[in-house]
Amino acid sequence: SQQGEEDPQALSIQEGENATMNCSYKTSINNLQWYRQNSGRGLVHLILIRSNEREKHSGRLRVTLDTSKKSSSLLITASRAADTASYFCATDPSGNKFYFGSGTKLNVKP
Amino acid sequence: GAVVSQHPSWVICKSGTSVKIECRSLDFQATTMFWYRQFPKQSLMLMATSNEGSKATYEQGVEKDKFLINHASLTLSTLTVTSAHPEDSSFYICSARDLGIFNEKLFFGSGTQLSVL
Repeated sequence: SQQGEEDPQALSIQEGENATMNCSYKTSINNLQWYRQNSGRGLVHLILIRSNEREKHSGRLRVTLDTSKKSSSLLITASRAADTASYFCATDPSGNKFYFGSGTKLNVKP
Repeated sequence: GAVVSQHPSWVICKSGTSVKIECRSLDFQATTMFWYRQFPKQSLMLMATSNEGSKATYEQGVEKDKFLINHASLTLSTLTVTSAHPEDSSFYICSARDLGIFNEKLFFGSGTQLSVL
């Protein structure tokens, strides 16, 4: 990818379990964002964390950021079948362009 | 929330023809729009940044003459795939940045699946 890697590439869990996906990026950032993509559709913004923040919560989502390691993680708690989608992290190194990671495909089995 | 409309959703064309994809911001103004390309099971690759009233900025390796971008107004950007060939078949997605209070995040169109025969 243009920006970095995410792992795992694919994750399959049971409904009710937690899902954790990780993102690594290459350059310094202003903020890091996570997006969700349902199959064959556009992306939807989930959460934004700024470079001076270490952790952020939004509903069942928890995002952490470690700028020293250039990495971030997204935790979805108590997953639901409707959470099945691909998840991407995105950064804007220059403040004007957004680059996306390779994505994690999450499958939540009912 | 901000809405971005992208048309068409899918298009099939013959090799050698040109295809135009439209991206509109419906309820906000977007001085900057982004065009991405996505291959099956892969990430989004930024192709170009579309700036209203000026030339687009293309990423390294993207052919300017192949992928023509026009951003004539604050609500409309178009991507024209010229003389399309089968290797241009892909999923193209546009996104826009809201100038208002949500200016740090992107709003995406629903994408266009292009199939070149």
